[in-house]
Amino acid sequence: GQNIDQPTEMTATEGAIVQINCTYQTSGFNGLFWYQQHAGEAPTFLSYNVLDGLEEKGRFSSFLSRSKGYSYLLLKELQMKDSASYLCAVIDSNYQLIWGAGTKLIIKP
Amino acid sequence: IAGITQAPTSQILAAGRRMTLRCTQDMRHNAMYWYRQDLGLGLRLIHYSNTAGTTGKGEVPDGYSVSRANTDDFPLTLASAVPSQTSVYFCASSEGFGRTELFFGEGSRLTVL
Repeated sequence: GQNIDQPTEMTATEGAIVQINCTYQTSGFNGLFWYQQHAGEAPTFLSYNVLDGLEEKGRFSSFLSRSKGYSYLLLKELQMKDSASYLCAVIDSNYQLIWGAGTKLIIKP
Repeated sequence: IAGITQAPTSQILAAGRRMTLRCTQDMRHNAMYWYRQDLGLGLRLIHYSNTAGTTGKGEVPDGYSVSRANTDDFPLTLASAVPSQTSVYFCASSEGFGRTELFFGEGSRLTVL
């Protein structure tokens, strides 16, 4: 079966750096998304990786290793507004999106 | 810019009743999707549409139906609601199927009693 694994919950301190990992086992790979979802709101797009390496976008970076079936989202200079769930999703060989259950990130002052 | 509009935002429904969740997008996206989101589970695809006039079944299609008469609208119907259909429902759209980012509506919280 297809599977996306993410930690259920993480806690970090305001101003610090946090890395959220995502490992996947899917039938084929055509890209990986990270989305942010604040409580009670819709998911919003953060990043897309299809080639190995690091994609940087302001305070957020996303890394992909296709050979290891692994990605991470790196958040720097954490702010209270970064408290949210972070969803990892993989596009499989049929161009279907496979979603992880999400990682709830709690930021403490 | 409206993006994707869902209605209703919240609804309490008696089991056995019929319910249609509405979804409209103004981005002229080809692909549209309906997901349900339950606590502790990832987003699960109910139905999708690659383009107007075509629909397909997702991971959890039973008890749900959709139609795509035009580009903008993609309603989801529960023919006879059951309590296990209590969930938050998200409509989403993308320019192309599977390759491009999804834009989500604000969600419809449905409670079936």
